[in-house]
Amino acid sequence: DADVTQTPRNRITKTGKRIMLECSQTKGHDRMYWYRQDPGLGLRLIYYSFDVKDINKGEISDGYSVSRQAQAKFSLSLESAIPNQTALYFCATSLSGTGTDEKLFFGSGTQLSVL
Amino acid sequence: AQTVTQSQPEMSVQEAETVTLSCTYDTSENNYYLFWYKQPPSRQMILVIRQEAYKQQNATENRFSVNFQKAAKSFSLKISDSQLGDTAMYFCAFMNYGGSQGNLIFGKGTKLSVKP
Repeated sequence: DADVTQTPRNRITKTGKRIMLECSQTKGHDRMYWYRQDPGLGLRLIYYSFDVKDINKGEISDGYSVSRQAQAKFSLSLESAIPNQTALYFCATSLSGTGTDEKLFFGSGTQLSVL
Repeated sequence: AQTVTQSQPEMSVQEAETVTLSCTYDTSENNYYLFWYKQPPSRQMILVIRQEAYKQQNATENRFSVNFQKAAKSFSLKISDSQLGDTAMYFCAFMNYGGSQGNLIFGKGTKLSVKP
C-alpha cells in the first residue's frame, strides 16, 4: 500500500461546484503539503501544515481551503471551482525539516479538470 | 525569497550517453537541502538524489550524480549511461534547513527524452 494516498486519482467537475481532494498518510509525519502542478510552471505550494493545529498559506492559496482532520489526513477544498484551477494536484509529507534524511514523500496526484 | 531556475525546458540524449541538467538557485541561507525529482509519464514524483548544503562531497546514486557548487549556487544533475526509462520531467528543488518556509521550492522542470 502507498504511504501517501490521494483520492480521487482523476476528477472532472463543472464551474462553480465545490470539490474536495483527500490525502492520507501512513508515514507518521507531522508535516503535510498541497502542491499544484501546471505545465511549464513546475509545482507551486498551495497550503502546508506542520501539525494538526498549524496550517499555513502557501504561494497560491486564493480559491482554496484546507482541513487537517488528524495527523494522517489533510484535505484540500475548492469552494467554487473555476477552469483555471484545472491542474495536477499533489499531496506530500515530510519529517521535521532538520533530519539527515529530509525529503518530501509524494502521493500519486489528482488530475482535476474544471469545465 | 528563494528561487530555483532550470534554464533548459527540454533536452534529449542518445541511449547510453551522458547528459547534464542545469539548476541554479538563489538564497541567503547557509544551511539547506537540494533535490532532484523525476516525474515519468506515470506522473509519480520520484526522488532521484539529494544534497545537504553543509556537505562538500557531491552526492551520487548509481548512474546519477550532482555537481554542487555552493558559492555559485549551482546544482546540476549528471545522468550517465542514459536509459530509455530515464525519459521524464526532472525538477530541481530547494528546502531551507528546518523548513521554516514549510516547503520545497521547485524549478519549472526540464523534459528529458532518451532516444534509442
